[in-house]
Amino acid sequence: AQSVTQLGSHVSVSEGALVLLRCNYSSSVPPYLFWYVQYPNQGLQLLLKYTTGATLVKGINGFEAEFKKSETSFHLTKPSAHMSDAAEYFCAVTFDGSSNTGKLIFGQGTTLQVKP
Amino acid sequence: DSGVTQTPKHLITATGQRVTLRCSPRSGDLSVYWYQQSLDQGLQFLIQYYNGEERAKGNILERFSAQQFPDLHSELNLSSLELGDSALYFCASSVLGRVSETQYFGPGTRLLVL
Repeated sequence: AQSVTQLGSHVSVSEGALVLLRCNYSSSVPPYLFWYVQYPNQGLQLLLKYTTGATLVKGINGFEAEFKKSETSFHLTKPSAHMSDAAEYFCAVTFDGSSNTGKLIFGQGTTLQVKP
Repeated sequence: DSGVTQTPKHLITATGQRVTLRCSPRSGDLSVYWYQQSLDQGLQFLIQYYNGEERAKGNILERFSAQQFPDLHSELNLSSLELGDSALYFCASSVLGRVSETQYFGPGTRLLVL
């Protein structure tokens, strides 16, 4: 069965430090990969997505992610954390199938804490 | 602001009751999705509609039902409510409901069952 695993339910970094949030997926067919961010009491906002083409994807707010098929990974990075990055981050995946539905399978989420 | 609206924002009700959650998709989007977010289950896909027709079903309980109306808004009906139904319910929309499309999420309806 297809699944998404986010390593680390909580990640804490200092302001200005590198942010690395890990995501691995399990699938026998090519995936479409997404990172969403959820700020407190808000809905989910798309940070970036990989569908086809270039495996390094750049998103909003300075985030980027690289699709590595051999490692079945889609880790999210940002060179320098800002206090406003504190939020919960979700990795999600969809897959091509005969029904061509867009239902997202989400990871459990990673809460990012940014310390001053 | 994603352009997806959900009402109400908060809902408090008792066990055994029935509630209706409403979602209006972004202008031009034909597909609507419903997701449930709870502490123990995380974010789970419930159901998807495209242009009024059900397209995909996830882990949706038989006590739950949904529909999409001709004006493309959608309603999620939850009946015989149990304590465990307390959760945040999100609606999302996309243009054609295809796998590569971005889904735009509404702010959610927080349901508390007492």
